Amino acid sequence: GENVEQHPSTLSVQEGDSAVIKCTYSDSASNYFPWYKQELGKRPQLIIDIRSNVGEKKDQRIAVTLNKTAKHFSLHITETQPEDSAVYFCAASPRSYNTDKLIFGTGTRLQVFP
Amino acid sequence: DAMVIQNPRYQVTQFGKPVTLSCSQTLNHNVMYWYQQKSSQAPKLLFHYYDKDFNNEADTPDNFQSRRPNTSFCFLDIRSPGLGDAAMYLCATSRDVTYEQFFGPGTRLTVL
Repeated sequence: GENVEQHPSTLSVQEGDSAVIKCTYSDSASNYFPWYKQELGKRPQLIIDIRSNVGEKKDQRIAVTLNKTAKHFSLHITETQPEDSAVYFCAASPRSYNTDKLIFGTGTRLQVFP
Repeated sequence: DAMVIQNPRYQVTQFGKPVTLSCSQTLNHNVMYWYQQKSSQAPKLLFHYYDKDFNNEADTPDNFQSRRPNTSFCFLDIRSPGLGDAAMYLCATSRDVTYEQFFGPGTRLTVL
């Protein structure tokens, strides 16, 4: 089955710096890759997603890149702000017969220091 | 407006005493999911419904059951909660599997 690895597990950056979180997946049939942000005590919320027919997607300070050949995708946050501090989860959807679900990575705790 | 609602937000139960958690949605989504999340770990999928089709994860304990009586509601029943079942339980919905999942606020379960 699909396996998603996420690195690093913790990441500390200074306000204004960039942050990059990387994920790898194992199932080449996976075709949907969302990123969720979860603030302390709150629900996970989608911040950006990408499908396998696209190599890069950007939304203001957030971008995601996908390398299907290498089976990895990355989240890039530029000009980080203290409110970006949260746990970020990547996920992959191995759409195949009777497998309609997301496989989550283990999460990255991002801390942005003022 | 709340789109995925979970009740109760906090539930305290005694060891072995059955408990039911509820989830409702106003999005008319086909898919509903139940996740268990412990202390900032990744959400762990317990089961999901695609319409009325029930999909159980292989490692979901038999102690956990689910019901989806209609499109809007889904229930998680824990028949005999153990101390290890203390966690946040998240309900989520999506239009289809490769679309955004909308999470509810969660129910924090404490087992005494």
